[in-house]
This record gives sequence, structure tokens and C-alpha cells, in this order.
Amino acid sequence: QKEVEQDPGPLSVPEGAIVSLNCTYSNSAFQYFMWYRQYSRKGPELLMYTYSSGNKEDGRFTAQVDKSSKYISLFIRDSQPSDSATYLCAMISGGSNYKLTFGKGTLLTVNP
Amino acid sequence: DVKVTQSSRYLVKRTGEKVFLECVQDMDHENMFWYRQDPGLGLRLIYFSYDVKMKEKGDIPEGYSVSREKKERFSLILESASTNQTSMYLCASSSLGRPQETQYFGPGTRLLVL
Repeated sequence: QKEVEQDPGPLSVPEGAIVSLNCTYSNSAFQYFMWYRQYSRKGPELLMYTYSSGNKEDGRFTAQVDKSSKYISLFIRDSQPSDSATYLCAMISGGSNYKLTFGKGTLLTVNP
Repeated sequence: DVKVTQSSRYLVKRTGEKVFLECVQDMDHENMFWYRQDPGLGLRLIYFSYDVKMKEKGDIPEGYSVSREKKERFSLILESASTNQTSMYLCASSSLGRPQETQYFGPGTRLLVL
């Protein structure tokens, strides 16, 4: 079983839709969870960062972590064409472990 | 704002050439990383460095070496480029302070080896 599983999509939604992006993981030592957004031919940029279980909201974006199910989600409300990108989940066990483990990314297209 | 810059956006090299990819960060970060990104394979860690002159192998170090002589600069070296090293190369940096786990990426270098 891979450490982090993420459905690659592609996912295509109409403008204004609510988007749900998900990752599952197997390593119970992961404590910190991140979502990166990567536009075509660009480097990933950090979108949201959460620690432990619960929800974190930032504008139209909500990150959710359920450590008991080893499941994380990113919700995008009122999606816009500018949200079209690849979304990568990432996680790390913290401490002196510097290594992030990434999902393979989900390609999202928001159609006007 | 954290800024990570990479020396080239696009590079075309021939098989057997020695290739240098340079990365510079301006936020005094202790940690620096080199990844490659390929369709269907995602991001894979090649090497990382947690201090000047210190380095550790990542998941796919074969065919690569790195150099970190200054804190702000981390170089990836392809000793003898091969066609299977055609890829997008991404540099990242992070701080030992909170949130140490958050990595900031450069724009990437698209390398084509002919």
C-alpha cells in the first residue's frame, strides 16, 4: 500500500460548484498536512497547512483532517476558472524528519 | 515573501553532458530540497540538505549529486545526463522554525536530454 493515495482525476466542474479533493494515507505518524496548488508549468505553491484533526478555513478553501480515518480533504466553495490547477496533498511526521510525502496530485478544471 | 529561484526555466542538453541546476532562496532557510516531477509518478525527492555542506539522499539519488557551499544556494548536478533524466526539476526550501514542515517551491526547470 502506498503511503499517500490521491485520485489523479481529471476532475471537471462548472463554475460555482463545490469541489471536494481527497487523500488517504497509511502512516499514522503523519501529523502535519498540507495542500499545494500547482498551475501548469509552474512550481507548487502552498495553499493550506493544518496540524492534527479538524477543519481549517481560508476564504473559499476549507481543509479537513480526520486522523482516525487517515483521510484528508480540501473543499473549494464557489469554484472559479482561476482555481483550475493540479492540487497536491502532502504530509509529514514532524520533528527532525524533513521529508514531505506527496500525493500524485488531482487535476481540476473549472469551466466558465 | 519567501522566494526560491532557479537558474533556468528550460534547458536542453545532450546525452553525456554534465548539467548544473542552481537554486537560491532568500529567506535564510536551513533546509533545501531537489525533486523531480514526472507525469503519473508525482514528486520524487532526489536529495535534501539541512545545513551547509550537509546532504542526504532522497528516494531517487542515482545519477545525481548535490552541492551546498552556502546556506542560500543548493545545486543539483547530473554527472552524465541521460534521456531518462528528462523531467521537471523543482527546488524547495523550508525553515527549522515553525512551520518547519512547510516547503516553498521554486518555479521549476524543464530539462530535456536529447
